[in-house]
Amino acid sequence: DTEVTQTPKHLVMGMTNKKSLKCEQHMGHRAMYWYKQKAKKPPELMFVYSYEKLSINESVPSRFSPECPNSSLLNLHLHALQPEDSALYLCASSQGVGGDEQYFGPGTRLTVT
Amino acid sequence: GENVEQHPSTLSVQEGDSAVIKCTYSDSASNYFPWYKQELGKRPQLIIDIRSNVGEKKDQRIAVTLNKTAKHFSLHITETQPEDSAVYFCAATPSGGSYIPTFGRGTSLIVHP
Repeated sequence: DTEVTQTPKHLVMGMTNKKSLKCEQHMGHRAMYWYKQKAKKPPELMFVYSYEKLSINESVPSRFSPECPNSSLLNLHLHALQPEDSALYLCASSQGVGGDEQYFGPGTRLTVT
Repeated sequence: GENVEQHPSTLSVQEGDSAVIKCTYSDSASNYFPWYKQELGKRPQLIIDIRSNVGEKKDQRIAVTLNKTAKHFSLHITETQPEDSAVYFCAATPSGGSYIPTFGRGTSLIVHP
């Protein structure tokens, strides 16, 4: 299995809602990433987990809360988002952190109303 | 930190022509350079990559060249087809520090039939 899967594909939420994005990979990769991507812009790194520990937080607002329950799963908990947080949220994984190919999931298209 | 410049931002070619996209990077410690293709509404997909111990790599109609001294690398697509139309991102990954890739701003390639 060489795929990263993400659910849901689309999500519409109000500014007072709490929701979660999920990501899963079964390639035995030990690094997992959350990216935010706006239309026709490059992916913007949010968080990196290495061996299930948060290793990088790119100064992301606390309304985004990542969680890595095990080596195959990565969640992103969302609370009190703003309309400007509407974007494509991409999960990725790699064998390790350090010059390894990243495999991207299909993304969750998030709309905050 | 690393800084990656990518040009052009938009490239329009006729089917069958060649397309070249260029990137420069600033951190001489970068040693892994992937290229991603992202079709509208889809995930970024790795199409080719190169490491700093290699000057050129080819895969069918796609090739990447790397000039470490000048700190630039290029994507070459020959015999372009309409299905090559997409946004292409280059990235540079350092061999130390965060090991996180820095993406270029993207090139929108349009291949006219």
